[in-house]
Amino acid sequence: DIQMTQSPSSLSASVGDRVTITCRASRDISKSLAWYQQKPGKVPKLLIHTASTLQSGVPSRFSGSGSGTDFTLTVSSLQPEDVATYYCQNHNSFPWTFGQGTKVEIK
Amino acid sequence: EVQLLESGGDLVQPGGSLRLACAASGFTFNAYAMSWVRQAPGKGLEWVSAISGGGITYYGDSVKGRFTISRDTSKNTLYLVMDSLRVEDTAIYYCAKGWGYFEYWGQGTPVTVSS
Repeated sequence: DIQMTQSPSSLSASVGDRVTITCRASRDISKSLAWYQQKPGKVPKLLIHTASTLQSGVPSRFSGSGSGTDFTLTVSSLQPEDVATYYCQNHNSFPWTFGQGTKVEIK
Repeated sequence: EVQLLESGGDLVQPGGSLRLACAASGFTFNAYAMSWVRQAPGKGLEWVSAISGGGITYYGDSVKGRFTISRDTSKNTLYLVMDSLRVEDTAIYYCAKGWGYFEYWGQGTPVTVSS
């Protein structure tokens, strides 16, 4: 199985800060990487798929990059409504696997 | 508008069985892959099972041989039959639409396995 490792596990940043979350796959998954946002008590929401394709309706301050084993989710200017846990997910091969999550808080 | 509505979650004893259902609307159900994804209390997301648009089924290692995914295209409903339930199967179970990545999610149904 492909293991997905996110870092950091949590972070605290100020409104307007640029925030970066990394995700590493245990082997090459090409660009088959998705990012989800889960706000407290809510259902996960797809932000990005295929490493860098922004899902319809997602604010442009979110962006994704990477390929192979190393991927990045960037929030260009953190907003209060971005407080959430973010998950990466391998969608290259079965079993589809998620990272352990990164909790983002406002400082 | 795509809607997914899960039902069937309950409290069950270890070793017991349960059937979850997910009623789908707003899209051509038999043309799309569907999955079950679960989240244990305070934990992260875990993909459980998928069924392709063509009806091929796939399972995660932790549920293989115990869970069965199926669908009834006449009722636009996805199912998950869970047998030999374990305490560690306790989670909210979401149904989700998509192949590989999940564009739409239901609200989830809670399953508690406890004696």
